Amino acid sequence: GIQVEQSPPDLILQEGANSTLRCNFSDSVNNLQWFHQNPWGQLINLFYIPSGTKQNGRLCATTVATERYSLLYISSSQTTDSGVYFCAGTRSPLMEYGNKLVFGAGTILRVKS
Amino acid sequence: KAGVTQTPRYLIKTRGQQVTLSCSPISGHRSVSWYQQTPGQGLQFLFEYFSETQRNKGNFPGRFSGRQFSNSRSEMNVSTLELGDSALYLCASSLAGTGRVQYFGPGTRLLVL
Repeated sequence: GIQVEQSPPDLILQEGANSTLRCNFSDSVNNLQWFHQNPWGQLINLFYIPSGTKQNGRLCATTVATERYSLLYISSSQTTDSGVYFCAGTRSPLMEYGNKLVFGAGTILRVKS
Repeated sequence: KAGVTQTPRYLIKTRGQQVTLSCSPISGHRSVSWYQQTPGQGLQFLFEYFSETQRNKGNFPGRFSGRQFSNSRSEMNVSTLELGDSALYLCASSLAGTGRVQYFGPGTRLLVL
């Protein structure tokens, strides 16, 4: 099956710093999403970004589908950004694999005040 | 619009028992997927239901089963519980068809003693 590699596995930042999280896929994916898992376990949608670039406040995501990777930029980090960040995608073809998301292992982000 | 809801939020069972978890999707969403999250295996896909039919299934034993009702609500059942079934079970919903954004519920934490 498809492999999803996230880097770095752990990241410690001082409040106000910027960071880049990366997600590599072993094969082409569809429906690429970035999530933030809050302390209670819920996965919060950050971006749906199968290709291109999107920005939402201090967060920006870029997916280069042809090179099978995606990046999540966090600028001016805050303590509330702490948590685990996951990327996930579905395999091709869509009609065979449907909405089955394959997740990476996540990046644990700790922002210190 | 209300988000994905899951009940119960926490559950403690003993080995050999069975358990049923419930998921109510976002209104209008017809696809419901289930995922298991454990520290060792990460987030893994269990199955997906669409229009009361299982559309996709992950690599889990037959003790794990599910169903979907005509109102799109879904249940998953785990029979003959094992210690290794202790996990966070997450449900996600999306609009009809494939290639859609998935939205996750808060999860059910199951502890098997």
